Parts: sequence; structure tokens; C-alpha cells
Amino acid sequence: GAVVSQHPSWVICKSGTSVKIECRSLDFQATTMFWYRQFPKQSLMLMATSNEGSKATYEQGVEKDKFLINHASLTLSTLTVTSAHPEDSSFYICSAISQRGEQFFGPGTRLTVL
Amino acid sequence: DAKTTQPPSMDCAEGRAANLPCNHSTISGNEYVYWYRQIHSQGPQYIIHGLKNNETNEMASLIITEDRKSSTLILPHATLRDTAVYYCIVRVGGGNQGGKLIFGQGTELSVKP
Repeated sequence: GAVVSQHPSWVICKSGTSVKIECRSLDFQATTMFWYRQFPKQSLMLMATSNEGSKATYEQGVEKDKFLINHASLTLSTLTVTSAHPEDSSFYICSAISQRGEQFFGPGTRLTVL
Repeated sequence: DAKTTQPPSMDCAEGRAANLPCNHSTISGNEYVYWYRQIHSQGPQYIIHGLKNNETNEMASLIITEDRKSSTLILPHATLRDTAVYYCIVRVGGGNQGGKLIFGQGTELSVKP
């Protein structure tokens, strides 16, 4: 099946620094990608929808200036957590839609902010 | 908000069929039903999706009621590796390729020896 990768798989950073997470669709082109966040023992929460070549659409309550999303090509979207704080520590998961309508998810990135 | 409700947990004996129910009574005519599962600390894994007709693939079968207000995911011969949280999701706002997946709380399936 189609594969979505994320890099890095985990990252630890100091409070106040920025962290970039990459999401790639490896064997298909994805005009739309999504970013989710998941806290321990909770479900996935959609943060934003990322469309290639245009600005991302953020869900209510998600700060667009804090979570910068760039979808520069049909196979790559990036999420940058700016000025990260301990409350931003979470499991960040991206996903991409194939032309057949199947939505595949990446393996996730565990962010820990000290 | 998610448009689906699922039981929070279920048990199933290894080798038996696991039938996971889902209610989506407010589903609209062009909204698809998707099923994913998530094993601890991994990204969700796509299982199956459908609109009106029953669907089957190598992983599972999806049975959608005629009024589309509920569906059942069937894992025909559950194994211990099928232990996971199963999410039933209605794709909101865009048919098969548009829209977005809003996750509910899912069903935690435990397959026991």
C-alpha cells in the first residue's frame, strides 16, 4: 500500500526553540495533506488541512502563527512548531490522500519540549 | 465534532470474527464511512471505506445498513495482532477525495488467546 513517512520520528527540544517536522508521500502524489495531534490516551485531533501551493486551513482553536505549515510540493508538507513550550509536547501525525481517495497516515513524530 | 459513536471497548477470542459496530445517524448522502485502526504509538492504519454498498478487502468487510445510519466492521478471523483502537469515521465535506477525517474516541479491541 501507499506509504507516508515522517521525519524525525522523535525530537526533544528546549523551550522556546522551533521544531520542523516533515511529511512525505513516498509513492503517490498528494494535493492534500493533513496534520493531527494526539495527546496520551486521547484520540487524534485535526489541526490543519494542507493544500499544495496554497495556504493551509486551520481548525478552530489552532494558532496558525504557532504551527506553520508549508506544502511546497505534491509529496512534501512540513509543520513547524514555533517557540515550542512544554504544553506543545505531543504526538504529531500527518496524512495524505491518494488519487483513489484512500487517506494514509504517517508513523507520527513524538515531540518532547523540556 | 465527530459524527460517529462507537462502544469504548470490546473483547474478541482469537480466531473468531470481530464485529465492531458504529452509529452515524447524521451522515449525509455524499459522506463516506472510513475505518482505521491504531496500534499504540503508531500512526493510524487504513482498513476500508465505503459509501452505500458493502465492501470487502484483504483485511476486513464493511457492512453499511440500507439507511446508512450505521455500519459494522468485520475482521473475519481475529488474531492477537489485531488488538488496537478502531476508529469509525465519516469523511466530512467532500465525498471521496475531498473533505477531512474527524476522529472520535474509537473502540479499543482486545483479542484474547
